[in-house]
Amino acid sequence: DSGVTQTPKHLITATGQRVTLRCSPRSGDLSVYWYQQSLDQGLQFLIQYYNGEERAKGNILERFSAQQFPDLHSELNLSSLELGDSALYFCASSVGRSSNSPLHFGNGTRLTVT
Amino acid sequence: QQQVKQSPQSLIVQKGGISIINCAYENTAFDYFPWYQQFPGKGPALLIAIRPDVSEKKEGRFTISFNKSAKQFSLHIMDSQPGDSATYFCAASRNGGSQGNLIFGKGTKLSVKP
Repeated sequence: DSGVTQTPKHLITATGQRVTLRCSPRSGDLSVYWYQQSLDQGLQFLIQYYNGEERAKGNILERFSAQQFPDLHSELNLSSLELGDSALYFCASSVGRSSNSPLHFGNGTRLTVT
Repeated sequence: QQQVKQSPQSLIVQKGGISIINCAYENTAFDYFPWYQQFPGKGPALLIAIRPDVSEKKEGRFTISFNKSAKQFSLHIMDSQPGDSATYFCAASRNGGSQGNLIFGKGTKLSVKP
């Protein structure tokens, strides 16, 4: 068990809708990362927060947004959903602000857009 | 564009054999090269990592070989076991700055036959 908790495990929704994915990092970890995993693209970095502030941005669409709250949990908001957004979304956490420290991944949220 | 190219896409090895997965990178600023292991239904978990100041790192049956001049690194699994059957991802990152996030290869699905 990595200590990173993601909810929900599965999410099925329709195109055009909005969903929120939640992540609780490992105790003591200040960084939270969001990754999207699809069969053809592999693991794609979306965004990183460190102690409540945005630290790095990757291939995150404008329809997607995230935040990290004072208690360090994070939420990823996906809006105007399209079929192509169907994927596994992983949250990871680490102690430091750099990804050169080990990342601890949750078990992911599987999003299906119909 | 920063990339990490991983091969092969899939690998079948007999129990007791050696599994070898290769990765190549482009950005010479990368200074951290981890390997992650992912079982079905789980998030990736750090297996072993290396920094460019060493050419080899061994942990149990798992060894990373690193060739800085060729910009390549590989994972060797000695005495492969059926329990090693999983998807393996190589990754790379550079410390610091807004680009300090892990870039993953597309993964290698390893099947170890009994």
